[in-house]
Amino acid sequence: KQEVTQIPAALSVPEGENLVLNCSFTDSAIYNLQWFRQDPGKGLTSLLLIQSSQREQTSGRLNASLDKSSGRSTLYIAASQPGDSATYLCAVVANAGGTSYGKLTFGQGTILTVHP
Amino acid sequence: SAVISQKPSRDICQRGTSLTIQCQVDSQVTMMFWYRQQPGQSLTLIATANQGSEATYESGFVIDKFPISRPNLTFSTLTVSNMSPEDSSIYLCSGGVTGQGPYGYTFGSGTRLTVV
Repeated sequence: KQEVTQIPAALSVPEGENLVLNCSFTDSAIYNLQWFRQDPGKGLTSLLLIQSSQREQTSGRLNASLDKSSGRSTLYIAASQPGDSATYLCAVVANAGGTSYGKLTFGQGTILTVHP
Repeated sequence: SAVISQKPSRDICQRGTSLTIQCQVDSQVTMMFWYRQQPGQSLTLIATANQGSEATYESGFVIDKFPISRPNLTFSTLTVSNMSPEDSSIYLCSGGVTGQGPYGYTFGSGTRLTVV
Protein backbone atom coordinates (compact mmCIF):
# COMPACT_ATOMS: atom_id res chain seq x y z
CA LYS A 1 0.00 0.00 0.00
CA GLN A 2 1.37 3.37 -1.04
CA GLU A 3 2.21 5.74 1.79
CA VAL A 4 3.16 9.37 1.33
CA THR A 5 4.97 11.36 3.99
CA GLN A 6 5.61 15.07 4.06
CA ILE A 7 8.22 16.84 6.11
CA PRO A 8 8.05 19.22 7.87
CA ALA A 9 4.47 19.18 9.14
CA ALA A 10 4.61 22.92 9.65
CA LEU A 11 7.01 25.67 8.69
CA SER A 12 7.11 29.34 9.63
CA VAL A 13 9.51 31.63 7.82
CA PRO A 14 10.05 35.34 7.31
CA GLU A 15 9.17 36.85 3.99
CA GLY A 16 11.87 36.54 1.34
CA GLU A 17 13.30 33.22 2.41
CA ASN A 18 13.82 30.36 0.03
CA LEU A 19 12.36 27.14 1.36
CA VAL A 20 12.09 23.44 0.61
CA LEU A 21 9.19 21.13 1.30
CA ASN A 22 9.82 17.41 1.24
CA CYS A 23 7.68 14.49 0.13
CA SER A 24 8.53 10.80 0.19
CA PHE A 25 6.57 7.79 -1.04
CA THR A 26 7.03 4.10 -0.38
CA ASP A 27 6.11 2.59 -3.76
CA SER A 28 8.14 3.94 -6.66
CA ALA A 29 5.71 2.54 -9.26
CA ILE A 30 3.99 5.87 -9.74
CA TYR A 31 2.56 7.46 -12.86
CA ASN A 32 3.03 11.04 -11.75
CA LEU A 33 3.29 13.25 -8.72
CA GLN A 34 1.42 16.45 -8.08
CA TRP A 35 1.89 19.29 -5.65
CA PHE A 36 -1.24 21.10 -4.52
CA ARG A 37 -1.97 24.14 -2.47
CA GLN A 38 -4.94 24.33 -0.12
CA ASP A 39 -6.08 27.52 1.54
CA PRO A 40 -8.04 27.17 4.80
CA GLY A 41 -11.51 25.73 4.21
CA LYS A 42 -10.98 25.67 0.44
CA GLY A 43 -10.46 23.12 -2.29
CA LEU A 44 -7.16 22.20 -3.88
CA THR A 45 -5.22 24.15 -6.46
CA SER A 46 -2.78 22.20 -8.60
CA LEU A 47 0.68 23.77 -8.57
CA LEU A 48 2.93 21.39 -10.45
CA LEU A 49 2.61 17.99 -12.07
CA ILE A 50 5.68 15.84 -12.69
CA GLN A 51 5.36 12.78 -14.89
CA SER A 52 7.33 9.74 -13.73
CA SER A 53 9.75 10.15 -16.64
CA GLN A 54 10.55 13.74 -15.67
CA ARG A 55 13.03 15.03 -13.14
CA GLU A 56 11.58 18.46 -12.43
CA GLN A 57 8.98 21.06 -13.29
CA THR A 58 9.03 24.80 -12.80
CA SER A 59 6.32 27.40 -12.55
CA GLY A 60 7.28 30.91 -11.57
CA ARG A 61 8.87 30.82 -8.13
CA LEU A 62 8.07 27.15 -7.71
CA ASN A 63 10.28 24.25 -8.68
CA ALA A 64 9.45 20.63 -8.02
CA SER A 65 11.88 17.78 -8.43
CA LEU A 66 11.26 14.06 -8.56
CA ASP A 67 13.61 11.20 -7.80
CA LYS A 68 11.39 8.27 -8.51
CA SER A 69 13.91 5.56 -7.69
CA SER A 70 14.46 6.89 -4.19
CA GLY A 71 10.82 7.80 -3.69
CA ARG A 72 11.35 11.49 -3.08
CA SER A 73 10.12 14.82 -4.31
CA THR A 74 10.88 18.33 -3.19
CA LEU A 75 9.02 21.57 -3.73
CA TYR A 76 11.26 24.62 -3.75
CA ILE A 77 9.68 28.02 -3.19
CA ALA A 78 11.90 30.98 -3.97
CA ALA A 79 11.59 34.37 -2.34
CA SER A 80 8.58 33.41 -0.23
CA GLN A 81 5.73 35.89 0.26
CA PRO A 82 2.94 36.13 2.83
CA GLY A 83 0.52 35.11 0.07
CA ASP A 84 2.28 31.76 -0.10
CA SER A 85 0.87 30.88 3.32
CA ALA A 86 -1.24 27.75 2.86
CA THR A 87 -1.11 23.99 3.26
CA TYR A 88 0.96 22.26 0.60
CA LEU A 89 -0.01 18.73 -0.30
CA CYS A 90 1.96 16.18 -2.23
CA ALA A 91 0.07 13.39 -4.00
CA VAL A 92 1.15 10.47 -6.14
CA VAL A 93 -0.84 8.74 -8.84
CA ALA A 94 -0.57 4.99 -9.09
CA ASN A 95 0.92 3.49 -12.21
CA ALA A 96 -1.22 2.16 -15.03
CA GLY A 97 -2.77 -1.22 -14.46
CA GLY A 98 -4.11 -2.77 -11.32
CA THR A 99 -6.87 -1.61 -9.05
CA SER A 100 -4.95 1.44 -7.86
CA TYR A 101 -4.73 3.01 -11.29
CA GLY A 102 -5.39 6.71 -11.31
CA LYS A 103 -5.96 7.10 -7.58
CA LEU A 104 -4.25 9.92 -5.75
CA THR A 105 -2.57 9.12 -2.47
CA PHE A 106 -1.96 12.23 -0.42
CA GLY A 107 0.58 13.15 2.17
CA GLN A 108 -0.51 14.85 5.36
CA GLY A 109 0.61 18.22 4.09
CA THR A 110 2.97 20.96 5.21
CA ILE A 111 1.38 24.03 6.77
CA LEU A 112 3.40 27.01 5.61
CA THR A 113 3.26 30.42 7.23
CA VAL A 114 5.22 33.28 5.71
CA HIS A 115 5.21 36.33 7.96
CA PRO A 116 6.01 39.84 6.83
CA SER B 1 -7.14 21.32 -17.69
CA ALA B 2 -10.76 20.77 -16.73
CA VAL B 3 -12.68 23.11 -14.46
CA ILE B 4 -14.99 21.52 -11.89
CA SER B 5 -17.94 23.30 -10.33
CA GLN B 6 -18.96 21.75 -7.04
CA LYS B 7 -22.03 22.57 -5.02
CA PRO B 8 -23.13 23.25 -2.43
CA SER B 9 -20.03 24.97 -1.11
CA ARG B 10 -21.19 24.41 2.44
CA ASP B 11 -24.18 23.14 4.35
CA ILE B 12 -25.33 22.55 7.88
CA CYS B 13 -27.49 19.46 8.14
CA GLN B 14 -29.51 17.72 10.78
CA ARG B 15 -28.50 14.32 12.06
CA GLY B 16 -30.23 11.50 10.17
CA THR B 17 -30.78 13.43 6.96
CA SER B 18 -28.98 13.08 3.62
CA LEU B 19 -27.10 15.55 1.46
CA THR B 20 -26.29 15.23 -2.23
CA ILE B 21 -23.18 16.98 -3.54
CA GLN B 22 -22.85 17.69 -7.24
CA CYS B 23 -19.81 18.11 -9.44
CA GLN B 24 -20.06 19.44 -12.98
CA VAL B 25 -17.00 19.35 -15.23
CA ASP B 26 -16.58 21.65 -18.19
CA SER B 27 -15.08 18.87 -20.32
CA GLN B 28 -15.27 15.12 -20.47
CA VAL B 29 -13.19 13.29 -17.90
CA THR B 30 -12.81 9.57 -17.82
CA MET B 31 -12.36 9.12 -14.11
CA MET B 32 -13.86 11.00 -11.22
CA PHE B 33 -12.99 10.56 -7.59
CA TRP B 34 -14.61 11.57 -4.35
CA TYR B 35 -12.52 12.42 -1.31
CA ARG B 36 -13.20 13.26 2.29
CA GLN B 37 -11.07 15.58 4.36
CA GLN B 38 -11.81 15.41 8.06
CA PRO B 39 -10.84 18.38 10.21
CA GLY B 40 -7.08 18.76 10.38
CA GLN B 41 -6.50 15.71 8.20
CA SER B 42 -5.39 15.08 4.65
CA LEU B 43 -7.61 13.74 1.91
CA THR B 44 -8.93 10.19 1.96
CA LEU B 45 -10.35 8.61 -1.15
CA ILE B 46 -13.96 7.49 -0.76
CA ALA B 47 -14.61 5.99 -4.19
CA THR B 48 -13.87 6.06 -7.87
CA ALA B 49 -16.80 6.89 -10.12
CA ASN B 50 -16.60 5.69 -13.71
CA GLN B 51 -19.27 6.41 -16.26
CA GLY B 52 -21.45 3.46 -17.07
CA SER B 53 -20.36 1.26 -14.20
CA GLU B 54 -20.75 0.95 -10.47
CA ALA B 55 -18.53 3.08 -8.31
CA THR B 56 -15.59 1.39 -6.65
CA TYR B 57 -15.35 2.05 -2.93
CA GLU B 58 -12.26 2.14 -0.76
CA SER B 59 -11.94 0.16 2.41
CA GLY B 60 -14.12 1.64 5.13
CA PHE B 61 -16.63 3.23 2.75
CA VAL B 62 -19.83 1.57 1.57
CA ILE B 63 -22.38 2.31 -1.11
CA ASP B 64 -25.31 2.48 1.31
CA LYS B 65 -23.65 5.35 3.16
CA PHE B 66 -22.12 7.13 0.15
CA PRO B 67 -24.12 6.35 -2.99
CA ILE B 68 -22.56 7.81 -6.11
CA SER B 69 -23.98 8.52 -9.52
CA ARG B 70 -22.04 9.09 -12.74
CA PRO B 71 -24.61 9.46 -15.52
CA ASN B 72 -22.16 10.90 -18.06
CA LEU B 73 -18.57 12.01 -18.53
CA THR B 74 -19.13 15.52 -17.16
CA PHE B 75 -21.22 15.00 -14.04
CA SER B 76 -21.23 13.07 -10.79
CA THR B 77 -22.99 13.20 -7.45
CA LEU B 78 -22.11 11.92 -4.01
CA THR B 79 -24.79 11.48 -1.37
CA VAL B 80 -23.93 11.37 2.32
CA SER B 81 -26.74 9.34 3.82
CA ASN B 82 -28.16 9.14 7.32
CA MET B 83 -25.67 11.70 8.52
CA SER B 84 -24.11 11.85 11.95
CA PRO B 85 -21.74 14.45 13.42
CA GLU B 86 -18.83 12.18 12.47
CA ASP B 87 -19.62 12.93 8.82
CA SER B 88 -18.71 16.57 9.31
CA SER B 89 -15.90 17.06 6.81
CA ILE B 90 -14.94 18.72 3.57
CA TYR B 91 -15.93 16.59 0.60
CA LEU B 92 -14.10 17.09 -2.67
CA CYS B 93 -14.47 15.68 -6.13
CA SER B 94 -11.74 15.46 -8.72
CA GLY B 95 -11.52 14.44 -12.32
CA GLY B 96 -8.86 13.23 -14.68
CA VAL B 97 -8.49 12.11 -18.25
CA THR B 98 -7.16 8.71 -19.15
CA GLY B 99 -6.20 7.28 -22.48
CA GLN B 100 -2.60 8.33 -22.22
CA GLY B 101 -3.00 7.87 -18.51
CA PRO B 102 -4.03 10.50 -16.00
CA TYR B 103 -2.61 13.78 -17.14
CA GLY B 104 -3.34 15.57 -13.97
CA TYR B 105 -6.20 16.03 -11.63
CA THR B 106 -8.43 19.01 -11.10
CA PHE B 107 -10.43 19.43 -7.93
CA GLY B 108 -13.71 21.02 -7.17
CA SER B 109 -13.74 23.76 -4.57
CA GLY B 110 -15.10 21.43 -1.92
CA THR B 111 -18.25 21.13 0.17
CA ARG B 112 -17.90 21.90 3.84
CA LEU B 113 -20.47 19.78 5.66
CA THR B 114 -21.42 20.29 9.28
CA VAL B 115 -23.82 17.81 10.86
CA VAL B 116 -25.60 18.92 14.02
